[in-house]
Amino acid sequence: DADVTQTPRNRITKTGKRIMLECSQTKGHDRMYWYRQDPGLGLRLIYYSFDVKDINKGEISDGYSVSRQAQAKFSLSLESAIPNQTALYFCATSESSGGTYNEQFFGPGTRLTVL
Amino acid sequence: AQKVTQAQTEISVVEKEDVTLDCVYETRDTTYYLFWYKQPPSGELVFLIRRNSFDEQNEISGRYSWNFQKSTSSFNFTITASQVVDSAVYFCALSPSFAGGTSYGKLTFGQGTILTVHP
Repeated sequence: DADVTQTPRNRITKTGKRIMLECSQTKGHDRMYWYRQDPGLGLRLIYYSFDVKDINKGEISDGYSVSRQAQAKFSLSLESAIPNQTALYFCATSESSGGTYNEQFFGPGTRLTVL
Repeated sequence: AQKVTQAQTEISVVEKEDVTLDCVYETRDTTYYLFWYKQPPSGELVFLIRRNSFDEQNEISGRYSWNFQKSTSSFNFTITASQVVDSAVYFCALSPSFAGGTSYGKLTFGQGTILTVHP
C-alpha cells in the first residue's frame, strides 16, 4: 500500500462549490504539506503543518483552508471553488528529525477541475 | 527568500543523446539541501536525489549524474544516453537545513523542465 494517499484522485466541480481534498499517511511523519502545480509554475506551497497543533500559511493560501485532524491526516478545503483553482494538488510528508528529515514524500496527486 | 530557476522550459532530444538540465538557485541560508524530482506522464513525483550544501562532490547513478557548484549556485542534472522512458518533467528544489531559517522545512521548486526524448 502507498505511504501517502490522496482522495479523490480526480474531481470535477462547479464554481462556488465547497471541495475537500484529503491526505493520509502511514509513514509516521510529523510534517505535512499541500502544494498545487500549474503548468510553467512548478509546485507552490499552499499550507504546511509541522505537527497537529501547528498550521502555517504557505506561498498561496488565499482561497484555501486546512485541517490537521490527526498526525496522519491533513485535509485541504476550497470553501468556494473558482476556475483558477483548477490544478494538480499534491500532499507531502516529511520527518521532523532523522536522516531523511529534509526529504518530502509525495502523494499521487489530485487533479481538480473547476468549471 | 529562496528562489530556484530552471531556465529551460522544454528540451527535445533524440534517443541516445546526452542532455543536461540546468538549475540555478538563490538562498541566504548557509546550509541547505538541493533536490531533483521526476514527474513522468502518469503525474506522480519521483525523488531522484538529495544533495547537502556541505557536499560538493558530483554524483553518478547509472545514466544520471549531478554537478553541484556552490560558487555559481548551480545544481545541474545530466542524463547520458537518453531513453524514451526519460521523457518527463524534471523539477529542481531547494530546502534550508538550518532550523533557524525562516523557510525551514519548506521546499521551493523551480518551474520545471519538460524533457521529450524521441525514438
